[in-house]
Amino acid sequence: QKEVEQNSGPLSVPEGAIASLNCTYSDRGSQSFFWYRQYSGKSPELIMFIYSNGDKEDGRFTAQLNKASQYVSLLIRDSQPSDSATYLCAVTPGGYNFNKFYFGSGTKLNVKP
Amino acid sequence: SQTIHQWPATLVQPVGSPLSLECTVEGTSNPNLYWYRQAAGRGLQLLFYSVGIGQISSEVPQNLSASRPQDRQFILSSKKLLLSDSGFYLCAWSVPGHGYEQYFGPGTRLTVT
Repeated sequence: QKEVEQNSGPLSVPEGAIASLNCTYSDRGSQSFFWYRQYSGKSPELIMFIYSNGDKEDGRFTAQLNKASQYVSLLIRDSQPSDSATYLCAVTPGGYNFNKFYFGSGTKLNVKP
Repeated sequence: SQTIHQWPATLVQPVGSPLSLECTVEGTSNPNLYWYRQAAGRGLQLLFYSVGIGQISSEVPQNLSASRPQDRQFILSSKKLLLSDSGFYLCAWSVPGHGYEQYFGPGTRLTVT
């Protein structure tokens, strides 16, 4: 079982719609959760991080964390064609391995004009 | 502000040749440093991470090695490259401790022929 699972997509949404990206993780003791955006041929860039259960909003982005169900999601409101990219979920484990980051394989998002 | 550099940006090497990729971080002290590999269309595979000079943790047994000769310098090496070593190599850094986000360098695209 992989530490972090994501649907590979592609997820296609029309411009202006809400894109919902999901991620599940296996380590119940996981501490921190991150979303990265990666454009084709480029390195990942951090979008958001979340540590506590609930929602965290930053502009058009909202991260949602549910530790009991072991999932984290990213909502993108008013999706733009420039949001078309692969979105990577990352998790840091609990215990003594908190310096490590586990990444999902990413979900490709296509926003159609 | 912190900056992370990687070089070279692209590299084409024949099978059996040696490899040396370098990563340096500016604007921070005692960072955690990481090497990842991303095969075409795949997720990030953690290869090595380091929490200090000379301290290297290996995640995947393979023909690669890493060294950290200085606080903000991380080197990825191989004595003999394999075709399967082709990929996008990413260096990343984070502040040590729980919950700190990770930042990526621009990456090196390696093609082994």
